[in-house]
Amino acid sequence: DAGVIQSPRHEVTEMGQEVTLRCKPISGHDYLFWYRQTMMRGLELLIYFNNNVPIDDSGMPEDRFSAKMPNASFSTLKIQPSEPRDSAVYFCASSFRTDRGNTIYFGEGSWLTVV
Amino acid sequence: AQTVTQSQPEMSVQEAETVTLSCTYDTSESDYYLFWYKQPPSRQMILVIRQEAYKQQNATENRFSVNFQKAAKSFSLKISDSQLGDAAMYFCAYRSYSSGTYKYIFGTGTRLKVLA
Repeated sequence: DAGVIQSPRHEVTEMGQEVTLRCKPISGHDYLFWYRQTMMRGLELLIYFNNNVPIDDSGMPEDRFSAKMPNASFSTLKIQPSEPRDSAVYFCASSFRTDRGNTIYFGEGSWLTVV
Repeated sequence: AQTVTQSQPEMSVQEAETVTLSCTYDTSESDYYLFWYKQPPSRQMILVIRQEAYKQQNATENRFSVNFQKAAKSFSLKISDSQLGDAAMYFCAYRSYSSGTYKYIFGTGTRLKVLA
């Protein structure tokens, strides 16, 4: 089975530009999570969805960040305008409610560098 | 609020030897799950092992096993017969569920080096 698929794998962009990260969760999973990983702050939960509905976005750093899930097989995380401090690895993960422990499965991450 | 603490930023082990990574957590919940994830240099997060809090038996997956001490809120990972491919960052994680909201809380990680 295909795992969580993220794109792009790497992105280098200039400050002020819009960045869109994409995620395709594992088919049948009803939870989708966006995480950010940096050396300074570790792994942070930004937002998660259940059945395409945002449930907890308390981790979204500020209004420059937005996330959508228009259907069960696609989600985006958008940063507009981007800043150098947004440089990080962004992970998308998904899970199925009745899976043991609601185990989450991660994508390979999107490496974002804002210069 | 729940917290997860990994007090060992870095550990080293000789190939074929055994190493134990520590994790402690704080919670007032009685029903929860604990996980260990491995993050190799590729940065992909890979599930290593999971433990249900209601189970007293420690989880085991091949060379990986846990020592789950619920009263002490401790959840250590033991890697036996360490291999070069085990070198990675290891994250301990706690899954909470409160008021209809799931949260996964990750520790800060332990970097494991395997020496040939």
